[in-house]
Amino acid sequence: GAGVSQSPSNKVTEKGKDVELRCDPISGHTALYWYRQSLGQGLEFLIYFQGNSAPDKSGLPSDRFSAERTGGSVSTLTIQRTQQEDSAVYLCASSFGHHNEQFFGPGTRLTVL
Amino acid sequence: QKEVEQNSGPLSVPEGAIASLNCTYSDRGSQSFFWYRQYSGKSPELIMSIYSNGDKEDGRFTAQLNKASQYVSLLIRDSQPSDSATYLCAVNFRGGSQGNLIFGKGTKLSVKP
Repeated sequence: GAGVSQSPSNKVTEKGKDVELRCDPISGHTALYWYRQSLGQGLEFLIYFQGNSAPDKSGLPSDRFSAERTGGSVSTLTIQRTQQEDSAVYLCASSFGHHNEQFFGPGTRLTVL
Repeated sequence: QKEVEQNSGPLSVPEGAIASLNCTYSDRGSQSFFWYRQYSGKSPELIMSIYSNGDKEDGRFTAQLNKASQYVSLLIRDSQPSDSATYLCAVNFRGGSQGNLIFGKGTKLSVKP
């Protein structure tokens, strides 16, 4: 079966523009996660969706960041008024079951000029 | 405070040697433990899951879990240059936010030919 897919793979934008990043989780996985990884750094948790429950947004760095998950499947992470410090790789992962074994997509590399 | 600690390295081993990667975690009640491999410029790839005390072997990889001492390790036998990567330890904590899976910052492994 297909793994987690993300699009676009690379995104270059100008400071102040809005961007949308898409994640398509593994079919049947009920949980979906967004992380951010800056160059040479560890994973930074952003947001977590579990089934139909309210998302855990505790990792979002500012109100310029938002995410939604439609129909319990595809998720979109939106960054408004991008800043240069938003440049990073944005990773999506999905999991199923109580062990929370997460599988990652290939990531979207965002560059804000 | 939920923490997963790893030595950042770099850990350098000669080709053919055993590489030993270690991880400690703060929550004694944690139940699920994972090792991810991340090549430079790529997303994390799940390589081992372990849920019970003791050893779990998969090919050249052995995960070891000691819940009483709150550590989990990964042994790589007959290390190859292709094993050179950053290895992330992840622990599924009880309760809390972030979907419960907390990642260490990773240990960089370098296998010298």
